Amino acid sequence: QKEVEQNSGPLSVPEGAIASLNCTYSDRGSQSFFWYRQYSGKSPELIMFIYSNGDKEDGRFTAQLNKASQYVSLLIRDSQPSDSATYLCALGGGTSYGKLTFGQGTILTVHP
Amino acid sequence: DTGVSQDPRHKITKRGQNVTFRCDPISEHNRLYWYRQTLGQGPEFLTYFQNEAQLEKSRLLSDRFSAERPKGSFSTLEIQRTEQGDSAMYLCASSFVSGGGTEAFFGQGTRLTVV
Repeated sequence: QKEVEQNSGPLSVPEGAIASLNCTYSDRGSQSFFWYRQYSGKSPELIMFIYSNGDKEDGRFTAQLNKASQYVSLLIRDSQPSDSATYLCALGGGTSYGKLTFGQGTILTVHP
Repeated sequence: DTGVSQDPRHKITKRGQNVTFRCDPISEHNRLYWYRQTLGQGPEFLTYFQNEAQLEKSRLLSDRFSAERPKGSFSTLEIQRTEQGDSAMYLCASSFVSGGGTEAFFGQGTRLTVV
């Protein structure tokens, strides 16, 4: 089992819809969880982080964490074409200790 | 610009040559990471420093790779005797860690092409 697994893409949603990106992880000791957005040819950009169970909202983005189910998700409300990118889930702590371990990414396309 | 800075942005080298990349972290950040990313994959961990100490190096990392962070400021990543399989984007990130979260911010990356 991969350490961090993201839902296979690509994911295509119409403009204005909710995009849902999911990530499961194997290390129960993981303590911190991050979502990065990466445009083609660019470096990853941190958009959300969450450390406690539950929801965390920031503008159109909501991160959800369920440590018991080893599951973290990112919801993007009112999706815009500019949200089209690869979304990377990353986690830290546990056996990862100081480093961040990334998933393979999910490509999101928002079509007008 | 006070973000993470990497130099050069692009490097083309012949197989067998040595290359060195530089990373300047955000000034108050005490942790610095190096990752490698190939097309269609997530960033792969290479190594990280806490101040000047190299705390972890990936088991998958060849002995041809070495990294330093003298005085806990900028860092260099050197690849000796480059191979075509080393072609990738090399990413540096930094964070400030004080027992809490570890939000890491990436530089623009150095794209290496080995011909």
